[in-house]
Amino acid sequence: DSGVTQTPKHLITATGQRVTLRCSPRSGDLSVYWYQQSLDQGLQFLIQYYNGEERAKGNILERFSAQQFPDLHSELNLSSLELGDSALYFCASSVQTVGGTEAFFGQGTRLTVV
Amino acid sequence: DQQVKQNSPSLSVQEGRISILNCDYTNSMFDYFLWYKKYPAEGPTFLISISSIKDKNEDGRFTVFLNKSAKHLSLHIVPSQPGDSAVYFCAASGTGQGGKLIFGQGTELSVKP
Repeated sequence: DSGVTQTPKHLITATGQRVTLRCSPRSGDLSVYWYQQSLDQGLQFLIQYYNGEERAKGNILERFSAQQFPDLHSELNLSSLELGDSALYFCASSVQTVGGTEAFFGQGTRLTVV
Repeated sequence: DQQVKQNSPSLSVQEGRISILNCDYTNSMFDYFLWYKKYPAEGPTFLISISSIKDKNEDGRFTVFLNKSAKHLSLHIVPSQPGDSAVYFCAASGTGQGGKLIFGQGTELSVKP
């Protein structure tokens, strides 16, 4: 158990709809990252929040947005969903070590758009 | 633009032998490298890391080697066990990147009994 909690585990929705994915980071971790893993693809970085503020942005579509709340949990909002948005969405939180950053991942949310 | 590349999508090894997984990167600003292991239907699990000031880091059966001049790192698993069968991702981060990790495409390791 990484200590990172993601809900829901599975989500099936129709094209054009909007969904919200939720992530609770490990206790004490201030950074939250969102990643997307499509079929047979690697983990694509979407966005990072640190203590409530956006820190870095990756290849995140304009239809997607995220936020981190004062209690440090984060939500990823996906709107106007398309079939191609079907993927595993992972949240991670991190601790800064002496050398660098180690991120710990949740179990992921499998989104299926039909 | 794939900054971290794992060119072998799959690797098959006999139990007890050495598994060597390779990773190349292009961004010279990367200074911290990690390996993650992923089982189906689970999130990636942190395995081992190495800072760019080192060229080797060892943790039990797992050793990561870093060749900065070649921008190459490798993960050695000795001896390999069937339970090591999983997808292995290498990842990199750099100073000024805010801690975000850039991942390779992954290599699926199969360890046969």
